[in-house]
Amino acid sequence: SQELEQSPQSLIVQEGKNLTINCTSSKTLYGLYWYKQKYGEGLIFLMMLQKGGEEKSHEKITAKLDEKKQQSSLHITASQPSHAGIYLCGADNQAGTALIFGKGTTLSVSS
Amino acid sequence: EPEVTQTPSHQVTQMGQEVILRCVPISNHLYFYWYRQILGQKVEFLVSFYNNEISEKSEIFDDQFSVERPDGSNFTLKIRSTKLEDSAMYFCASSEGGQGGTEAFFGQGTRLTVV
Repeated sequence: SQELEQSPQSLIVQEGKNLTINCTSSKTLYGLYWYKQKYGEGLIFLMMLQKGGEEKSHEKITAKLDEKKQQSSLHITASQPSHAGIYLCGADNQAGTALIFGKGTTLSVSS
Repeated sequence: EPEVTQTPSHQVTQMGQEVILRCVPISNHLYFYWYRQILGQKVEFLVSFYNNEISEKSEIFDDQFSVERPDGSNFTLKIRSTKLEDSAMYFCASSEGGQGGTEAFFGQGTRLTVV
């Protein structure tokens, strides 16, 4: 079965600093999704990537899917306290009928 | 902006009792899902629902679980006889198309505590 590994597990950065979160799949990714979760709350959709080499940006967050479609990165530029939360990567399962998730990366931003 | 809404936000129940978790998906979405997240663990898929029937279910979704779309707006998850290990955050999600290549939108979750 497919597994998603996220790194780092947790991250503390100073406000204004850049950071990157990685998501590595044990199998080829056919759809990769980034979500943000505040502790104890729901998942907020950030971005979806499907094509090898694809890159998408929204405000100060950029997500990329590598050419081989086995790794994705989420980059935050000039982090702010509002960026704090748990970032989850999700991928379509083999049948394309549900999502599997990584364990998440907890981001704290200190001001 | 349309959103998935879930009720209740918190539910405490005694072991062995039945619970029904409710969800109102986004109105033009056709695919509905339940996921759960045990504290400190991954978000796990339970079941997907399309055209008034289950399209896929995971190993977690055993005979104790059932889903229903009783009317045009609600989507429910029933746990017949709750166990301590059912304590988790339960998320409802919906998507316009089937999961492959379509973003799913999640509700805020129902925190279920079984005592």
